Amino acid sequence: KQEVTQIPAALSVPEGENLVLNCSFTDSAIYNLQWFRQDPGKGLTSLLLIQSSQREQTSGRLNASLDKSSGRSTLYIAASQPGDSATYLCAVPLPQGGSEKLVFGKGTKLTVNP
Amino acid sequence: DVKVTQSSRYLVKRTGEKVFLECVQDMDHENMFWYRQDPGLGLRLIYFSYDVKMKEKGDIPEGYSVSREKKERFSLILESASTNQTSMYLCASSLRTGGYNSPLHFGNGTRLTVT
Repeated sequence: KQEVTQIPAALSVPEGENLVLNCSFTDSAIYNLQWFRQDPGKGLTSLLLIQSSQREQTSGRLNASLDKSSGRSTLYIAASQPGDSATYLCAVPLPQGGSEKLVFGKGTKLTVNP
Repeated sequence: DVKVTQSSRYLVKRTGEKVFLECVQDMDHENMFWYRQDPGLGLRLIYFSYDVKMKEKGDIPEGYSVSREKKERFSLILESASTNQTSMYLCASSLRTGGYNSPLHFGNGTRLTVT
């Protein structure tokens, strides 16, 4: 059974700081990993999808890495801004071949203080 | 941009009512999903559909059913609403890629309260 863990559950940083969010998963037989952002009371927005062959993916100030062998992914946010405040979730497919279903972590709630 | 639209942002229903939650996507995605999200429990998959009239149970299908008569529309049905179904319901869609996954696109959610 695939389990996804995100630690810490909450993080508070001052504006301008670089930060790393962590995601770990128990079954490394995955094809990819996705990172999402969720604003309060809203749905999730896809940020980055890393295929297992890529190991890393960048979008603006965001950089996500994937290390399948250790069952870990990190989301790096550079020069954080108050607008980055949200909950960040990671998700991986079920390890069965060809599965379209995702298993989600419970998220890290990020607060960036001005 | 992909758009996933959920018909209601907020709903208040009485115990025992039959409730319909509607979701429409505009990008010809094969896969559609219904999740519920509760504090401390995270996102849990209720049902998944990979094609018209096709469906698979997720982790918590009890008390729910789904309908997918057209590719763009996926409906979640609460046969007889109960207070423990008070939750945020999220619909999502993606391209069918045989497990390699395309990004998952979510609607804005429906906050359902059952009294």
